[in-house]
Amino acid sequence: DTGVSQNPRHKITKRGQNVTFRCDPISEHNRLYWYRQTLGQGPEFLTYFQNEAQLEKSRLLSDRFSAERPKGSFSTLEIQRTEQGDSAMYLCASRSIVLGELFFGEGSRLTVL
Amino acid sequence: DQQVKQNSPSLSVQEGRISILNCDYTNSMFDYFLWYKKYPAEGPTFLISISSIKDKNEDGRFTVFLNKSAKHLSLHIVPSQPGDSAVYFCAASANSGNTPLVFGKGTRLSVIA
Repeated sequence: DTGVSQNPRHKITKRGQNVTFRCDPISEHNRLYWYRQTLGQGPEFLTYFQNEAQLEKSRLLSDRFSAERPKGSFSTLEIQRTEQGDSAMYLCASRSIVLGELFFGEGSRLTVL
Repeated sequence: DQQVKQNSPSLSVQEGRISILNCDYTNSMFDYFLWYKKYPAEGPTFLISISSIKDKNEDGRFTVFLNKSAKHLSLHIVPSQPGDSAVYFCAASANSGNTPLVFGKGTRLSVIA
């Protein structure tokens, strides 16, 4: 399967703990995006990378959130000191510069107790 | 401030009939529009897109219409099939599709056999 891969698919954690999600994009795609989706809402943009450079961050991305794409391939999204409001589906997507559509992974669902 | 609005949370259509999903946007800089389909526990899947230089794009049973003056687009599915039952998201981008996609809240389509 050469699609976008995310893991873990599900994560349950206690408030205050740190969590990290990983995304492996489609190999030839140089742009990688992170979105968050809560119940009844569409995906909300968090941040994106072109190769290893983080080009834009949403104001939704508080100081507790950090994303990296160290070698321009996979990416990680870390949430420190999780809060119940962080419970959501975290979606990763990738695209090439030429094509406009994003290809999404299946998401990582976070539940903060 | 919702820049992309899908005002119908749900739509029910009989199998074989036409499904029409609507989307309005407020940002006049948007020039690339996409529709995504999402099944439960899966990431969104790209369906069809349209650039602002066109007013219609067709792909099999799916047609997207764009009315720039009204800042409105619609997705037509003909004929509707039970497998089309899903949540449909409208998304928009600016700068020839280079800015991060902004999504609407989605419309849940139910196709009744």
